[in-house]
Amino acid sequence: GAVVSQHPSRVICKSGTSVKIECRSLDFQATTMFWYRQFPKQSLMLMATSNEGSKATYEQGVEKDKFLINHASLTLSTLTVTSAHPEDSSFYICSARGEREGYNEQFFGPGTRLTVL
Amino acid sequence: GQNIDQPTEMTATEGAIVQINCTYQTSGFNGLFWYQQHAGEAPTFLSYNVLDGLEEKGRFSSFLSRSKGYSYLLLKELQMKDSASYLCAGMDSNYQLIWGAGTKLIIKP
Repeated sequence: GAVVSQHPSRVICKSGTSVKIECRSLDFQATTMFWYRQFPKQSLMLMATSNEGSKATYEQGVEKDKFLINHASLTLSTLTVTSAHPEDSSFYICSARGEREGYNEQFFGPGTRLTVL
Repeated sequence: GQNIDQPTEMTATEGAIVQINCTYQTSGFNGLFWYQQHAGEAPTFLSYNVLDGLEEKGRFSSFLSRSKGYSYLLLKELQMKDSASYLCAGMDSNYQLIWGAGTKLIIKP
């Protein structure tokens, strides 16, 4: 149990276009999902916390108008990178909060590699 | 403030044992996690400690001392496939994970 999927796994786009990434909890309901970005050889950087039915909470320095997050249901959150630029090229990973043996844990999706040309 | 410290890189020999240390400071505490991350992949769960002591899972063990704000991940009988980054993360009172920068473990034959 506790599987999180992410789609697409890899995307290449032109500068100025928008890209949508989907994160789904497949076998559990997740009231909270997290979006991370990871640059090569660096650790995970939390971008935002997404709560079902409410606005996402963005970390300092993350532009909410550029990284649009929608958490419309208990199993789906989407991240849209608007007007993408080469510096947005990164590995984007989502996670969903769930329970493992009585404690809270974050279950990770497989990640999306975004390359902006 | 909240902070997680772990070494940047470690090297060990195949078949040996390695211990990766982590010190943490979080606002409240709801447990300490260790994740493994291979290059280009998402992190995968290794262990969770919320009480003091050692949790053993096959070749991997994790230890926690809450009074010292300290944890370690112990990997035994190292295999080449264990070459990866190991991420320490503390969960704060809001159930938010505070991440360390990761320890890159290099295994040599």
